[in-house]
Amino acid sequence: TQLLEQSPQFLSIQEGENLTVYCNSSSVFSSLQWYRQEPGEGPVLLVTVVTGGEVKKLKRLTFQFGDARKDSSLHITAAQPGDTGLYLCAGLSSGTYKYIFGTGTRLKVLA
Amino acid sequence: GAGVSQSPSNKVTEKGKDVELRCDPISGHTALYWYRQRLGQGLEFLIYFQGNSAPDKSGLPSDRFSAERTGESVSTLTIQRTQQEDSAVYLCASGGLAAYNEQFFGPGTRLTVL
Repeated sequence: TQLLEQSPQFLSIQEGENLTVYCNSSSVFSSLQWYRQEPGEGPVLLVTVVTGGEVKKLKRLTFQFGDARKDSSLHITAAQPGDTGLYLCAGLSSGTYKYIFGTGTRLKVLA
Repeated sequence: GAGVSQSPSNKVTEKGKDVELRCDPISGHTALYWYRQRLGQGLEFLIYFQGNSAPDKSGLPSDRFSAERTGESVSTLTIQRTQQEDSAVYLCASGGLAAYNEQFFGPGTRLTVL
């Protein structure tokens, strides 16, 4: 069974601080996506990474896909209250259309 | 254009009753997924439809769960003889043909089984 473990599970920080969220598995994925979900809504895609070692930047967010395509990280610089939400990683199983979602990291940024 | 819509937004039912949840995908999207999200947790894959191909039902937790989709349009997820452990938010997502395409999620249906 493929699993994606995210850490930390919960994170409460002050506005302006930096943070990193990790997504780890023992399985290899074809690609990996990061989503953010706000209460009462469905997840919204932030980024898709496909190549091992790939780094993508989206304003203050930096995403990295591990060289072996088993893990990923999301780094937020100078966090803002608007970054508050549930962050989910999702790995695409090789040769399928099935996404395995991580356990989630709930982030709260205090003003 | 409209996004993915789901109905009802909330459903409260008694244990043992059947429920039907509906998903209207974005027009033109060939892929459709159903997920279950228990309180405070990640998403659990249930079923995947792609065009007229046979669906991937490998995530359905029991034979009480079934889903249908007519062509590339509306999908319904049916839960028979509901149990309290079925209480969760059921999310639908639609997307394009490529596996790594973005999934566009609906707001979900919150199911509570008393």
